[in-house]
Amino acid sequence: EAQVTQNPRYLITVTGKKLTVTCSQNMNHEYMSWYRQDPGLGLRQIYYSMNVEVTDKGDVPEGYKVSRKEKRNFPLILESPSPNQTSLYFCASSLSKMSNQPQHFGDGTRLSIL
Amino acid sequence: SQQGEEDPQALSIQEGENATMNCSYKTSINNLQWYRQNSGRGLVHLILIRSNEREKHSGRLRVTLDTSKKSSSLLITASRAADTASYFCATANSGNTPLVFGKGTRLSVIA
Repeated sequence: EAQVTQNPRYLITVTGKKLTVTCSQNMNHEYMSWYRQDPGLGLRQIYYSMNVEVTDKGDVPEGYKVSRKEKRNFPLILESPSPNQTSLYFCASSLSKMSNQPQHFGDGTRLSIL
Repeated sequence: SQQGEEDPQALSIQEGENATMNCSYKTSINNLQWYRQNSGRGLVHLILIRSNEREKHSGRLRVTLDTSKKSSSLLITASRAADTASYFCATANSGNTPLVFGKGTRLSVIA
């Protein structure tokens, strides 16, 4: 089954403790992206990757890192999480960066930073 | 860089009624997509309409695009309780730019 898998689904942690949210897709998609979703602010893009070893900042990249060493994986790294990064995070992938491609989303990771 | 803005923010209707949601955007677009998000889940792609298209159908969904007014509408006919979800429009200025999502319309269909 074609899917985007994120882990963990839920995480409560403390300020400053490094964490990684994994994202994996099995559709051989070139383009992958991370979003955060906050009430009243909608979906905002954090980082995206057009292909292996190619990553770019989205609208809200501060405090986040990403890597794309393999085509299927696109982890999101919070080196020193802070409470303002408490949010619902989504990973998405599509066949290419071209905007006429539908994006496939994971089920989300709810992060709480205390 | 918010582009699309959905209207209304929330909509509550009875089962069997039609639901109409609108999306307005500011700059010219290459295409516009609509997504649905069930509570606690990821977004699911519904339909894409290109800038040179005016109307598109998919099952009970009908999407229109008016580039002169920079707006699109999503019509769900004969709504069901299972249509309860948030609906988002997403736009891109060109074929190469990332999609930008609106804040969504929250639809409640009451049985």
